[in-house]
Amino acid sequence: DTAVSQTPKYLVTQMGNDKSIKCEQNLGHDTMYWYKQDSKKFLKIMFSYNNKELIINETVPNRFSPKSPDKAHLNLHINSLELGDSAVYFCASSPKWTFPDTQYFGPGTRLTVL
Amino acid sequence: QKEVEQNSGPLSVPEGAIASLNCTYSDRGSQSFFWYRQYSGKSPELIMFIYSNGDKEDGRFTAQLNKASQYVSLLIRDSQPSDSATYLCAVNRPGSNDYKLSFGAGTTVTVRA
Repeated sequence: DTAVSQTPKYLVTQMGNDKSIKCEQNLGHDTMYWYKQDSKKFLKIMFSYNNKELIINETVPNRFSPKSPDKAHLNLHINSLELGDSAVYFCASSPKWTFPDTQYFGPGTRLTVL
Repeated sequence: QKEVEQNSGPLSVPEGAIASLNCTYSDRGSQSFFWYRQYSGKSPELIMFIYSNGDKEDGRFTAQLNKASQYVSLLIRDSQPSDSATYLCAVNRPGSNDYKLSFGAGTTVTVRA
């Protein structure tokens, strides 16, 4: 299947732990993104990579660190998890860093911090 | 002022009616506009995008853009129960190195059978 995939789908962990979420796309896209969707369904961009290069780094605590080993993968590592990190995290990809740019979303990872 | 604002809803329409969703944006430099549909517990999926003033139709969906008024809308004709979802308006402002999408908070639509 051609798609954007994420693992894990659900993640439940204790405050203070460190966790990672992985994302892979086999669409041949150049650009990948991480979004956070909070309990009010507001979707906000966190990071974007274009061909493994960090393009967008929004105002996100430095406990969040993205890593792109190649242009098909973008992982998100979170240190010292806090209650407020509980949300759904979506990975997305788009064909290229040009206008207009259509983004395709992965299934999401629901993170619950206890 | 939020970058992208949508009518908060929820919007309840009878089956077969037209659902009208509104979105305003604050940045006059915005150039492309997207409507995503998100079913409960699922990821956003693109319905359509528009970047020229006027109307753009795709099946039962029509997007309307008025850049002078900084307004974009989505009409869903002949609404079906399967259209029940949250609709997200997203705006893209191409800049020197900034193609990020800014999303509205979404409007939840319920189509009554």
